[in-house]
Amino acid sequence: SAVISQKPSRDICQRGTSLTIQCQVDSQVTMMFWYRQQPGQSLTLIATANQGSEATYESGFVIDKFPISRPNLTFSTLTVSNMSPEDSSIYLCSARSGPWETQYFGPGTRLLVL
Amino acid sequence: GENVEQHPSTLSVQEGDSAVIKCTYSDSASNYFPWYKQELGKGPQLIIDIRSNVGEKKDQRIAVTLNKTAKHFSLHITETQPEDSAVYFCAASSEEYGNKLVFGAGTILRVKS
Repeated sequence: SAVISQKPSRDICQRGTSLTIQCQVDSQVTMMFWYRQQPGQSLTLIATANQGSEATYESGFVIDKFPISRPNLTFSTLTVSNMSPEDSSIYLCSARSGPWETQYFGPGTRLLVL
Repeated sequence: GENVEQHPSTLSVQEGDSAVIKCTYSDSASNYFPWYKQELGKGPQLIIDIRSNVGEKKDQRIAVTLNKTAKHFSLHITETQPEDSAVYFCAASSEEYGNKLVFGAGTILRVKS
């Protein structure tokens, strides 16, 4: 299994600012993803982080708002730009690992925008 | 695209009883069905998964059953314990849609001691 860590674990930010979340996996993985989980809700896929190329965004999410980097096979960042209170959520990093490409999740970053 | 419905939204059981959570999916091409447990303040943790070539899978007190014809799958937890209290999410994916997981809405399980 893959062990995924995220930094920061939580943050309180002012509207209009940006926050970059880091995700580190303990082994090389092919696929990395970023999800959003709004309070009391299920998980929504933001984008697939592609190594060495632009991320693939899901409907409703755009690169200007959620720029993503993936410089190598173990690390990715998600930036939440020009934040508003509606961006208050848990942001989860995820990766597929192992012969069956099982998907694992990090502990999440809890973001509150005031 | 895929749509996954999960029931019930909340479930309260007495310690030692069994708990069953059911999910239905819409895409007959879906072939992978994981279950995640999310405790308060933590990320989702994979607890069991099943692929479409298998009808049932067990791991100690946890089991998952799959009915491809009816397009539904269920999580069974026996001899529930207070530490089983959490939110449980089912998910489905298919190769047709890049194996992206589509999640159910979640079930809050409360085990009363």
